Amino acid sequence: RKEVEQDPGPFNVPEGATVAFNCTYSNSASQSFFWYRQDCRKEPKLLMSVYSSGNEDGRFTAQLNRASQYISLLIRDSKLSDSATYLCVVAQYSGAGSYQLTFGKGTKLSVIP
Amino acid sequence: DGGITQSPKYLFRKEGQNVTLSCEQNLNHDAMYWYRQDPGQGLRLIYYSQIVNDFQKGDIAEGYSVSREKKESFPLTVTSAQKNPTAFYLCASSIVTSAYNEQFFGPGTRLTVL
Repeated sequence: RKEVEQDPGPFNVPEGATVAFNCTYSNSASQSFFWYRQDCRKEPKLLMSVYSSGNEDGRFTAQLNRASQYISLLIRDSKLSDSATYLCVVAQYSGAGSYQLTFGKGTKLSVIP
Repeated sequence: DGGITQSPKYLFRKEGQNVTLSCEQNLNHDAMYWYRQDPGQGLRLIYYSQIVNDFQKGDIAEGYSVSREKKESFPLTVTSAQKNPTAFYLCASSIVTSAYNEQFFGPGTRLTVL
């Protein structure tokens, strides 16, 4: 079974804190990796792709360790607007030239004033 | 504005009735997808389509059917054979089915079967 595992949280942190989310995936043949953000009762939206060399977008840093099959997301200087559920997503080849995304259950973050 | 629309936002149906959820996109994307999300669960793939007049089953296709007669439209029918249809249904699209293309999601339809 192809799975993506995340700590469900919730993570309750004060404004300005640094918070890290972890994710593991079971399929070593996974091709690409993403973090999506989902606000309460809304649709998921892409936050950032995750590259082997690690990548940063403002206050957000994503890391990938293929050997350990581990993905992380670091949020620095947390804002109230960062409160959401963060979904770890992995793309895997599913045959016939197509790829499927496998979603983790998400980690809920609440940033407290 | 380009995007994906789903209608209705909320849908209530009696047990045993078929219901069709609408999904339309004007992004000129070839690939479209249907997911189901249950509370505390990850999104699960129901069906996907790589091109017009073609679609494949995802992980949980039983009790669902789709059609792809137009590039812009990918309606999902929840049939009476679906044992537990109450859920949040999300439609998505991408340029093509690729490991690297972003999937864009519609706002979702919340289906409640009474």
